[in-house]
Amino acid sequence: GQQLNQSPQSMFIQEGEDVSMNCTSSSIFNTWLWYKQDPGEGPVLLIALYKAGELTSNGRLTAQFGITRKDSFLNISASIPSDVGIYFCAESSGNTPLVFGKGTRLSVIA
Amino acid sequence: DTEVTQTPKHLVMGMTNKKSLKCEQHMGHRAMYWYKQKAKKPPELMFVYSYEKLSINESVPSRFSPECPNSSLLNLHLHALQPEDSALYLCASSQGVMLAEAFFGQGTRLTVV
Repeated sequence: GQQLNQSPQSMFIQEGEDVSMNCTSSSIFNTWLWYKQDPGEGPVLLIALYKAGELTSNGRLTAQFGITRKDSFLNISASIPSDVGIYFCAESSGNTPLVFGKGTRLSVIA
Repeated sequence: DTEVTQTPKHLVMGMTNKKSLKCEQHMGHRAMYWYKQKAKKPPELMFVYSYEKLSINESVPSRFSPECPNSSLLNLHLHALQPEDSALYLCASSQGVMLAEAFFGQGTRLTVV
């Protein structure tokens, strides 16, 4: 089946720092999604990407759909304590439900 | 309204109990999903309903029985579960299976004792 490699697994950063995480795959995809999950809650959709090369922002978050359609990154600028959580990339080839990466656990030190 | 509502939020059940998890959305989405999530793991797909018909069953044991009474509701009936079935159960919906932007409920934290 499809496999996503998401990195890093975890990050500890100082408040105010920028963060970058990425996902790669050996397969080509039509859609990349980025979710954030707080403890005990469901994942919340942050950004959806549908075109190769697409760069989309949502506040302090920026995500890009790689030009090869096999990767995506998510950047968070000027991190704040409420950015703490697990960030998942997810992809779809268009005829199957979402497949999730293993997640990046973000900790922000005030 | 972009909400997917799940009830209950927490559930503790014995191995001989029968219980049901409920999920509701009013976004007009025609695809609904059940995911299971263990601690520190990503969500794992269990079932997909498309236009109220079961389209994908990811080899889930029969002690989990999904039901889609109408386009807005999705249930997961539980019977004779095992302690290892304890997890966060997530419902999600999207406009269609081929339209991937899925919205998740807050989940039901299930503990089997």
